[in-house]
Amino acid sequence: GAGVSQTPSNKVTEKGKYVELRCDPISGHTALYWYRQSLGQGPEFLIYFQGTGAADDSGLPNDRFFAVRPEGSVSTLKIQRTERGDSAVYLCASSQDATGTITGELFFGEGSRLTVL
Amino acid sequence: GEDVEQSLFLSVREGDSSVINCTYTDSSSTYLYWYKQEPGAGLQLLTYIFSNMDMKQDQRLTVLLNKKDKHLSLRIADTQTGDSAIYFCAETGGGGYNKLIFGAGTRLAVHP
Repeated sequence: GAGVSQTPSNKVTEKGKYVELRCDPISGHTALYWYRQSLGQGPEFLIYFQGTGAADDSGLPNDRFFAVRPEGSVSTLKIQRTERGDSAVYLCASSQDATGTITGELFFGEGSRLTVL
Repeated sequence: GEDVEQSLFLSVREGDSSVINCTYTDSSSTYLYWYKQEPGAGLQLLTYIFSNMDMKQDQRLTVLLNKKDKHLSLRIADTQTGDSAIYFCAETGGGGYNKLIFGAGTRLAVHP
């Protein structure tokens, strides 16, 4: 597609449920990033992939969070046993390759807004 | 630790210049960025500056970097209503090029 696509755009779930958020990066972009943006805050790094592998997952807050990118394109962020504190906008970004970030050329999607009741 | 701070709100009159300020703590940051976020849209890279530069100009945008004071600013000349958005300062920090550290954002409101 023309840009980074994220689904769903909005997700409301109950505490304790499992959630999956999907990201479809720009075609041909090998690097993919997940960030989390809480209300009134800037984006916070979670994880980035170079190809199929997670090159850096140091931003994942705990083991309830997991992300995959099995074919090096679409990525899914998975959150188990959701908590109210997980409520945020989850942003996905892609770049042509990992060195694309040298010039900050991350292309962001519009985000998936997760609300945990 | 790594931290990026910005003032939260700025209001300017249409046609005036806007100056958005940012301070950062990690002197190892190689690149510093300004991103723009409009309602309902993803973050968009506006401009960036390499840490060995003092100034960068790009049309109506001027970025000033004071590395000694770890202070970054974005000046928008002839501010228009279409410039109303949230502006985020970001640095590469010590974590490498792939882990941008963002400030909380400055909301710019442009009024007639």
